[in-house]
Amino acid sequence: GENVGLHLPTLSVQEGDNSIINCAYSNSASDYFIWYKQESGKGPQFIIDIRSNMDKRQGQRVTVLLNKTVKHLSLQIAATQPGDSAVYFCAALLARSNYKLTFGKGTLLTVNP
Amino acid sequence: GAVVSQHPSWVICKSGTSVKIECRSLDFQATTMFWYRQFPKQSLMLMATSNEGSKATYEQGVEKDKFLINHASLTLSTLTVTSAHPEDSSFYICSARDPLAGVPDTQYFGPGTRLTVL
Repeated sequence: GENVGLHLPTLSVQEGDNSIINCAYSNSASDYFIWYKQESGKGPQFIIDIRSNMDKRQGQRVTVLLNKTVKHLSLQIAATQPGDSAVYFCAALLARSNYKLTFGKGTLLTVNP
Repeated sequence: GAVVSQHPSWVICKSGTSVKIECRSLDFQATTMFWYRQFPKQSLMLMATSNEGSKATYEQGVEKDKFLINHASLTLSTLTVTSAHPEDSSFYICSARDPLAGVPDTQYFGPGTRLTVL
């Protein structure tokens, strides 16, 4: 099965700095990789996704990079704000497996004002 | 965007009782719904995949007789925790897939239900 994990369990940054959250995966057959943000006591919120045949995708203040050679992806948040404080999960989606998502362990991002 | 609701948002029950959690897609028809369990400071673990009108598919290690899933309509799936015990206390989250939306962000998550078993 898929194994998706994160390198750092916690990350603390200063407001305005850029944040980088990393994730490793094991199943190269995954079709998409998705980053979610989860605030305390709430369900995951979609941030950005990347198709497995892409290397980079940008959104508003966020960029996801995918390195298939080493099975690694990262989420970059520019100009991090206090509202970005949350737990971030990467997830791998396998379309042929009924679109199941396999979540990584999560990284707690704390933004200091 | 698409909205998924869960009810109740939190529940406290006595050991040995059963608890039903509802998951509804409010503005789309969900052919597939997923149920996750999340323990404190841990990730989401998929429990089962629920397809409308058919039996749920459970992940390895999840007791189907303990966690009953019913997906009777395209907008409602229920999870019943039977004979709940303190170790079942967790945050239960559902998601619903909109087949008409583009892959991959077709899974919309509910706000979660906090279950505490005394």
